[in-house]
Order: sequence, then C-alpha cells, then structure tokens
Amino acid sequence: GAGVSQSPSNKVTEKGKDVELRCDPISGHTALYWYRQSLGQGLEFLIYFQGNSAPDKSGLPSDRFSAERTGGSVSTLTIQRTQQEDSAVYLCASSLDYAPGEQFFGPGTRLTVL
Amino acid sequence: DAKTTQPNSMESNEEEPVHLPCNHSTISGTDYIHWYRQLPSQGPEYVIHGLTSNVNNRMASLAIAEDRKSSTLILHRATLRDAAVYYCILPKNYGGSQGNLIFGKGTKLSVKP
Repeated sequence: GAGVSQSPSNKVTEKGKDVELRCDPISGHTALYWYRQSLGQGLEFLIYFQGNSAPDKSGLPSDRFSAERTGGSVSTLTIQRTQQEDSAVYLCASSLDYAPGEQFFGPGTRLTVL
Repeated sequence: DAKTTQPNSMESNEEEPVHLPCNHSTISGTDYIHWYRQLPSQGPEYVIHGLTSNVNNRMASLAIAEDRKSSTLILHRATLRDAAVYYCILPKNYGGSQGNLIFGKGTKLSVKP
C-alpha cells in the first residue's frame, strides 16, 4: 500500500517568506509526527498529532512554526518569515496510534532558505 | 526523560554478526526500547522495539539486559545495505503514552566487503 508522502520534495525560498510543507500519512493512522534534520545534526522532534489535536507543541522551535491537521489525515507545517537557520530536511511520520511501535517515515522535504 | 548512550561508530565485515550496544541506565519500568536506522539520504526506518523480553523479527534481534539498563541490537549477518546510523530510542512519555521519538547521535555502522 501507499506509504507516507510529503510535498514538495524540495523547496527553495527567500528569507522572510512563508512556506507550507504537506504530509499525507498512511490511511487509517491516527498519529502523525513532524521532525526535522539540519545538516550535520540529528533528528529533532517538532510536534505530534493524535487525530486532529496536537497535545504537545513544546518541540516547535519558535512561534514562527505552526502545524495543523484536518480530517484526521493530511497535515501542514507552516513556517512564517523563514530564516536561514530553518534550512533542513523536514520529515513526517505516522503510526497506527500514539503508542510504542513502528512509525513510518516519509521521504522528507528539503527546505533551503536563501 | 530517560537518555541513551551509544558508541559513535562501529565497523563490521560483510556476512558477520553485528552487536550494537546501547546504555539506558535511567530507564523507567514502562519505557519501551526502540531501534531505528537511517540509511544515507533516506528517512529513518523502524528496526525493532521491546520492553523486557528479547525480541526477534526479520530484520534483527533485540537483547535486553535483565535490569533493562542496557540493550543490544543484533544483526545476524551484516550486508552492505546495513550500513547506516542506528538509533536507540526511549520514546518520550506524554499523557501516559509514548510516541515521540527523541533521536540522539546514534551509532554509524560501516560494513566492509
């Protein structure tokens, strides 16, 4: 079956612009997660959703970052007024529920802020 | 949240077993131990997880110490495709459940032909 998909695969933007990154989780997965990986850095947890609700937003690096999920499916991560330090690969994952077990990762969106 | 410690890198020969260690001395009784790996230029991939008993699947085995303060991921016959960064993770507790993966630096495994 279809895995987690993300779009766009690559995004180049200018400093100060807003960007939207999209994640389509595996159908039926109630939990959805956003992570990012900066060059030479490890993977950093950003936010997770149970259904359409995001109980824990503490991982978002600043108030320029926001995320939403609609219909218990697609999620959008929005970065406003992008900065060069936002350049990273943004990864989305989903799992059947929010519990120990396998998370399925998408291929990621590579964001470059000039 | 409990922390994990792994060696920065390890080397293995192709078709030999690999034992990847992980220390998690502050683990709590309800923390599950997860292993993920990340191949070059790819997203992370689930390998295995367990709580107390040793676990086996098609990819690997997970040996958990009796006191649960350490665990070992075992790849029975390393292939070149197993060259990756391997992460030992104790998912973050939130609301009584566990889901958020907090990645450390992991162990970079090199496999020599």
